Amino acid sequence: EPEVTQTPSHQVTQMGQEVILRCVPISNHLYFYWYRQILGQKVEFLVSFYNNEISEKSEIFDDQFSVERPDGSNFTLKIRSTKLEDSAMYFCASSEALGMGQGEKLFFGSGTQLSVL
Amino acid sequence: AQKVTQAQTEISVVEKEDVTLDCVYETRDTTYYLFWYKQPPSGELVFLIRRNSFDEQNEISGRYSWNFQKSTSSFNFTITASQVVDSAVYFCALSEADTGNQFYFGTGTSLTVIP
Repeated sequence: EPEVTQTPSHQVTQMGQEVILRCVPISNHLYFYWYRQILGQKVEFLVSFYNNEISEKSEIFDDQFSVERPDGSNFTLKIRSTKLEDSAMYFCASSEALGMGQGEKLFFGSGTQLSVL
Repeated sequence: AQKVTQAQTEISVVEKEDVTLDCVYETRDTTYYLFWYKQPPSGELVFLIRRNSFDEQNEISGRYSWNFQKSTSSFNFTITASQVVDSAVYFCALSEADTGNQFYFGTGTSLTVIP
C-alpha cells in the first residue's frame, strides 16, 4: 500500500537554528499538509498546500514557517529560527483532490520528532 | 471552543472486555465529516473510519463499530473483545465543508488493554 514517507524520524537542533523537515507524499495525491503534535497534546493543523501554493494555514503557521514543493515528489516544512516551543512531532499528510471541503481522508506519515534544545 | 471533545483521557481494560471511546463534536456546518485515527506506540496515525454528516448508519468492521448520532453530536467508537494490540491513542477528528480540508482533532483517548 502506498504511504507517506517522512525524514528524518528524529531531529535535534539548537534554538535559533533553521530546520527542514522532509516528506514524500503519496504519488497521485494533490493536497499536502503539515500537522504537529506537542507531547501529550492533540494533533494541530499547520498548513495545507495545493497546486503549488498554500491553501489554508493556522495561527501557528507564522512567518517562521514556510513550505515548499521543490520538485515533483518532495514536500518540505522549514522553520527559520527554531524556538523551544517548536519541539513537537511533525506529521506530513496527503490526500487525493476531490476538492476543498470534500472530507477527504488524510494519509499520514510516521512523523518527525523535532527536539529544540 | 473545542470542536471535538474526547472526555476520556485514559482508559484501561482487561483483554476481551468491550470498550467504548466517546467523541462529541461541535459544528455549524450542515456538511461535515468525522474520522477516527489510531496512534500506536510507534507514533504514526492510522486511518480507521470516515463518516459524512448525511450518513447516520452505524458501521461495523470486525471488532470495531461506530455509532454516529447527530441528535447528540456524537461519534462513538466501540472495540469488542479488546486485544493487547488495540493499545494505542485514538483520535476523533472533524472536517467541515466550509473550512476546507483542515482536520480538527480531539485530544485523544489513550487505551491500554491489559493481558
